[in-house]
Amino acid sequence: GAGVSQTPSNKVTEKGKYVELRCDPISGHTALYWYRQSLGQGPEFLIYFQGTGAADDSGLPNDRFFAVRPEGSVSTLKIQRTERGDSAVYLCASSLIGRDTQYFGPGTRLTVL
Amino acid sequence: AQSVAQPEDQVNVAEGNPLTVKCTYSVSGNPYLFWYVQYPNRGLQFLLKYITGDNLVKGSYGFEAEFNKSQTSFHLKKPSALVSDSALYFCAVRDTDEAGTALIFGKGTTLSVSS
Repeated sequence: GAGVSQTPSNKVTEKGKYVELRCDPISGHTALYWYRQSLGQGPEFLIYFQGTGAADDSGLPNDRFFAVRPEGSVSTLKIQRTERGDSAVYLCASSLIGRDTQYFGPGTRLTVL
Repeated sequence: AQSVAQPEDQVNVAEGNPLTVKCTYSVSGNPYLFWYVQYPNRGLQFLLKYITGDNLVKGSYGFEAEFNKSQTSFHLKKPSALVSDSALYFCAVRDTDEAGTALIFGKGTTLSVSS
């Protein structure tokens, strides 16, 4: 069956611009997670949705980062006033329910020039 | 606080030989432990997990991992390595007693299998 999909696969933007990254989870999965992976590091948690609501946003680094999941399926990670330090691979994962095995998408590589 | 350590940045083995990729963890409660593999320009693929029960867990592609509570370790193993096993491997932990569901990942270990 279809896995987690993420678009775009690559995004290059300029410092100060706004970007949106999209995640389409596995059909029927109620839990959705965003992680950020910097070069040479493991993924770091950003935010977790259970259904439409953000159940845990403790990993968001600052208020420039925001994520939504309005219908409980597709999620969008939004980054305002991008900085060069935001350059990373942004990974999305979903699970059938919270606390279940998380399945990851291919990621979006964000480069801020 | 939860943490995961993968002490080796790189592991090199010859094809056909057994492989071990090490992982140790720290949690305040009981751990849920996971191994994921990442191929170049691709996302993480789930290999196996330990929740409870038998300390030896079998997963995808012939991999297995052994949970050792006293040593707080969860090493990944395979009896006979393949060149196609060459990839980046991540160990992750979640504390069952914590309210959140976030996985805490190690820095990763690059496995290189030579023919």
